[in-house]
Formats: sequence, structure tokens, C-alpha cells
Amino acid sequence: AQSVTQLDSHVSVSEGTPVLLRCNYSSSYSPSLFWYVQHPNKGLQLLLKYTSAATLVKGINGFEAEFKKSETSFHLTKPSAHMSDAAEYFCAVNLSRAAGNKLTFGGGTRVLVKP
Amino acid sequence: KAGVTQTPRYLIKTRGQQVTLSCSPISGHRSVSWYQQTPGQGLQFLFEYFSETQRNKGNFPGRFSGRQFSNSRSEMNVSTLELGDSALYLCASSSDGRGSTDTQYFGPGTRLTVL
Repeated sequence: AQSVTQLDSHVSVSEGTPVLLRCNYSSSYSPSLFWYVQHPNKGLQLLLKYTSAATLVKGINGFEAEFKKSETSFHLTKPSAHMSDAAEYFCAVNLSRAAGNKLTFGGGTRVLVKP
Repeated sequence: KAGVTQTPRYLIKTRGQQVTLSCSPISGHRSVSWYQQTPGQGLQFLFEYFSETQRNKGNFPGRFSGRQFSNSRSEMNVSTLELGDSALYLCASSSDGRGSTDTQYFGPGTRLTVL
């Protein structure tokens, strides 16, 4: 079975310090992985995705993630947190091997940024 | 291009009623997926439609159904509402969903409250 686990339900950082959000997946094949962000009362916005090209993926707003097959991880990082980064972050994997979309999401990590 | 739009944004219904939610995808997108988001269960995949056909399905009871029209607009219907159906329902569209790497773009969601 394929699944996604976000290891921290809450992360608190100070503005200007690095952010690390951890995501592990289990899949019997090479997956497509995504990170989405959700601000309060909003839909999901794509930050970045891994599609088996480069293992280090750069996204919007200074975020990047590294795919590590040996560790089955896809952690999200940002060198310097900004107040506007306070939101909930979701790691997701597309379970549909054939055509189509069927995202399975992790439980989410809520990020608090302290001034 | 205009983003994914969902109507209505908020709904209040009572147990036993039925409800229809609407989603208009990004122009040119042919795949529409639906997700349910609740505090307890997180984000869960409901179903995906492509060219008016259901292509993927999640693990929800038959009370949850959907359809897609020739212009790619989609509706989902929930019959015999239960309190547990209270959730944010998110719609996502993608260009053709040919592969699992396709990016899904999410709408703002419809907040359904069942009393």
C-alpha cells in the first residue's frame, strides 16, 4: 500500500530561521510527489513537485525539496522563514499509476512563524 | 487564465437532505478531481472525472456521486446527508491527467455544514 507520513503535525520557527518539514512515503514504485500549502480559508497551492527528473526540486517562494529514494523521503526546506509562510503544508503522492489523478495526502504540518 | 472556481462557497444543510456542489475547471483542463477535507480524516480523494467519465474513485459510500459535463465543468452530489459529511470540499483540475506527474490546481473549496 502507498501512503504518506508527515512526521510533525506542528512546527514553530522564528522569522529568518530555516524551516524543515519532513515527509516520508511508502510506494512500491517510483512515485510523483508534491508539496502544497494551504492558508486559512483557502484552497491548496502547489509549492513544488518531483517527477523523477532532478532529485532536488525548487519551488515557489524560496522553498525546495529533496527526493531521497534510499530514505523514502521528500523533505521540504526554506532557508529563511517569513511571516507569510505561516500556513499548513501538505505532502502528497499520486497513486494512479496509469493515467489520472488520485492524490494521497499526509496529515499536514501547521507552521507557526514567530516574529 | 481564471483559476478553478467553486460554487457555492458556503452551504448549510440538515441531516437527510441532499446537496450539489459545482466546480468550473481552468479553461482547457479536462480532468476534475474532488477531495474532502475534515479535521479528523484530513484530505481524502473522492473521485476524478475526465472527458465526462469517472476515471478514478476513492473509498467513499455511494451517497457521494459526481458527474462531468461536455465543457468539463463538474458537479458532485451528496445524498442523505450525515453530520460527518460536514467538511471543506475541494475541487482540482489538471490539463489532461495523462500521467501521474500532472499538476492539479485547486479551487477555494465549498464549506458544507450539516446540522
